[in-house]
Amino acid sequence: QKEVEQDPGPLSVPEGAIVSLNCTYSNSAFQYFMWYRQYSRKGPELLMYTYSSGNKEDGRFTAQVDKSSKYISLFIRDSQPSDSATYLCAMSPIIQGAQKLVFGQGTRLTINP
Amino acid sequence: DSGVTQTPKHLITATGQRVTLRCSPRSGDLSVYWYQQSLDQGLQFLIQYYNGEERAKGNILERFSAQQFPDLHSELNLSSLELGDSALYFCASSVIPLGNTIYFGEGSWLTVV
Repeated sequence: QKEVEQDPGPLSVPEGAIVSLNCTYSNSAFQYFMWYRQYSRKGPELLMYTYSSGNKEDGRFTAQVDKSSKYISLFIRDSQPSDSATYLCAMSPIIQGAQKLVFGQGTRLTINP
Repeated sequence: DSGVTQTPKHLITATGQRVTLRCSPRSGDLSVYWYQQSLDQGLQFLIQYYNGEERAKGNILERFSAQQFPDLHSELNLSSLELGDSALYFCASSVIPLGNTIYFGEGSWLTVV
């Protein structure tokens, strides 16, 4: 069983829809949670970062972390065609002087005009 | 543009050969990370350096090695290449070793034939 599980999709929604992306994890030591966006053949781009449990909002993006359920979510409001990409969740435990991100498989998202 | 520079962008080589991938971190970043992205394994952490020192190791094969030089650039050496080593290799950097704001480069696409 993988430490981080993410539905690979693909997910296709109409422009303007609210998108919900999710990951579950098994390692209770994870404390840092991130969402990255990756366009085809490009490097992952950091979208959101959350420490421990809670919500964080940045423009049209909201990240939620529920450590009790080992479940994280990313919501995209008023989705745009330019949001079409692969979305990767990533998480990391606290390690003295180091950082080892564990990524989900990524969800491929298409926003249809 | 994340500010992390990787060369070469594309590389085709034969089995059994050795290649070196190079990474220049963002200006001011002291920590460098290497990740491998393949279709079946997703994005996997290989190794992290901070100011020239190895800080964390992931599932990096013994045929692979890396180092970070005094000018902070880093190289990933892959030897005795196998077909299964074909992947996108990403370098990332952050200011501090616990940096949760980790910026990825555009990657080096390695094809082993």
